[in-house]
Amino acid sequence: DTAVSQTPKYLVTQMGNDKSIKCEQNLGHDTMYWYKQDSKKFLKIMFSYNNKELIINETVPNRFSPKSPDKAHLNLHINSLELGDSAVYFCASSQGWAPDNEQFFGPGTRLTVL
Amino acid sequence: AQKVTQAQTEISVVEKEDVTLDCVYETRDTTYYLFWYKQPPSGELVFLIRRNSFDEQNEISGRYSWNFQKSTSSFNFTITASQVVDSAVYFCALSEEGAGSYQLTFGKGTKLSVIP
Repeated sequence: DTAVSQTPKYLVTQMGNDKSIKCEQNLGHDTMYWYKQDSKKFLKIMFSYNNKELIINETVPNRFSPKSPDKAHLNLHINSLELGDSAVYFCASSQGWAPDNEQFFGPGTRLTVL
Repeated sequence: AQKVTQAQTEISVVEKEDVTLDCVYETRDTTYYLFWYKQPPSGELVFLIRRNSFDEQNEISGRYSWNFQKSTSSFNFTITASQVVDSAVYFCALSEEGAGSYQLTFGKGTKLSVIP
């Protein structure tokens, strides 16, 4: 029933580990995004995929690698986790690649790196 | 340069008071879109409104209203007769057509606390 879902909701891990966050949308949308929200609540786009193709890749370390196996999924893999990666990560989707499209957000994944 | 400025970091009001959240944006595009999102304490982001640059009509939805003024590059959000359930962080965001990347640029958010 959930439009945009993310798993896990919470992720606690040690520095240096590799982890993945999964995102799925059942809205039939073509475009998906990953955002990072830091401790001060600042939201910043990380990646955007349209029809499984990478469109936006903001200045994000190479340790972050998105993967879109199909239009309904956009997963985020993070290698060699660092303390500064602690944040809430939001997945979102929109109907298409257009500036006026409403973006639907997932519930967020709170990542804590110890 | 910051494209979306929400100068009010935190606001506290007593229930039933009216409150206005300010949003000032910066763009060179003639076609752009402005959004407001709400993030309640539970953490999810909820879409509230979208406005395009050619439509300066103010909008009202229940207790919520939005005032878009291109002359001052502002898109302010007013909650009338605030309620405790309005307590949340509110984000204003901008999307520009000319940029090509169509990404949403968010302001830093305004945390609204409505005290019973």
